[in-house]
Amino acid sequence: DIQMTQSPSTLSASVGDRVTITCRASQSIGRWLAWYQQRPGKAPKVLISEASTLEIGVPSRFSATGSGTDFTLTISSLQPDDFATYYCQQYSHYVTFGPGTRVDVK
Amino acid sequence: QVQLVESGGRVVQPGTSLRLSCVASGFSFSSFSMEWVRQAPGKGLERVAFISFEGSTRYYADSVEGRFTISRDNSKNTVYLDLNSVRSDDTAVYYCVDRFIRGQGTRVTVSS
Repeated sequence: DIQMTQSPSTLSASVGDRVTITCRASQSIGRWLAWYQQRPGKAPKVLISEASTLEIGVPSRFSATGSGTDFTLTISSLQPDDFATYYCQQYSHYVTFGPGTRVDVK
Repeated sequence: QVQLVESGGRVVQPGTSLRLSCVASGFSFSSFSMEWVRQAPGKGLERVAFISFEGSTRYYADSVEGRFTISRDNSKNTVYLDLNSVRSDDTAVYYCVDRFIRGQGTRVTVSS
């Protein structure tokens, strides 16, 4: 099985901050990586697929890069709606998820 | 537009059974493998079961092996998850996945 790790597990930030979350796969997954946002009590929502492709309707302050085993998600200027938990997910070989990064108010 | 709509979740007693369903639309369902993942309260996302596009290959997480069964009906664009001998640690929201979580999930609560 491909294992996914994320760092940090929790990130405290303020509105307007630039935020970066990293994700690492235990083996190469090419660009078969998605990022999700999950708000409390809601289903995860896909933000980005194929490592860097923004889903329709996702604000441009979200961006992502990476390939192989190392990936990053960046929020250029954190907004109130962005305080949530973020998961990475590989879909190269079955699906597996990272443990999540909670972004909370500093 | 790809849609996955899960249903069948409810409150059940330990040791009983239930069937979850997921109806797919907006893509060629019979060409894609499908999976079920779950999220226990306050926890992360865990893969539960996989089925190949034609149904001949199935894999299960160790935690559900021998108790859960995944199946599909390509004529109905539907994938199923049969949960047997459920335990309290099966309490979770269950999502079906083609490559991504797209639906709202269905909640299973195991409680006496």
